[in-house]
Amino acid sequence: KNQVEQSPQSLIILEGKNCTLQCNYTVSPFSNLRWYKQDTGRGPVSLTIMTFSENTKSNGRYTATLDADTKQSSLHITASQLSDSASYICVVSAYFGNEKLTFGTGTRLTIIP
Amino acid sequence: DVKVTQSSRYLVKRTGEKVFLECVQDMDHENMFWYRQDPGLGLRLIYFSYDVKMKEKGDIPEGYSVSREKKERFSLILESASTNQTSMYLCATTGTGAKNIQYFGAGTRLSVL
Repeated sequence: KNQVEQSPQSLIILEGKNCTLQCNYTVSPFSNLRWYKQDTGRGPVSLTIMTFSENTKSNGRYTATLDADTKQSSLHITASQLSDSASYICVVSAYFGNEKLTFGTGTRLTIIP
Repeated sequence: DVKVTQSSRYLVKRTGEKVFLECVQDMDHENMFWYRQDPGLGLRLIYFSYDVKMKEKGDIPEGYSVSREKKERFSLILESASTNQTSMYLCATTGTGAKNIQYFGAGTRLSVL
């Protein structure tokens, strides 16, 4: 069964600090891995998409890494801001002719001033 | 600017009522999706559509149906709402091909009393 597990479930850090969120997956056949940011009461917004051959992808202060051998990904947030408070969802895509996405349950990040 | 518009942000319905959730996109995307999101669970796919008048069951289609009469509009129907369908409902779209960004609507929070 395809699964995506994220850790930690929640995280509180001080504004200006860095943090790293983790994602482990068992999805096959692997197509790509995505990170989304979801603000409270809103729909998710795509941050990065990485294929098998991509190890690192950046989007501003967000940097995602992918280790396809160990089936792990991380999302690193640099110099956190209050606006980074959100849920971060890891999503892994399998491709069988059509794309099927498996969603993690997310990490709830809170930035405090 | 990309737009996926869900007709209602909040809805309160009674058990047994027929409920329509509407989603409209302005990106000329072929693929449209309906998910529900519940605390502690990842987004779960209810139905999706790859073309007009096409529909495919997702992982949890029971109690739901969909309609796609026009490319830009994808409707989710709860034939007889039940309390266990209280949830956040999210519509999403993508273009064709792999590694396509998925765009989400703002969500509809449905309460069934």
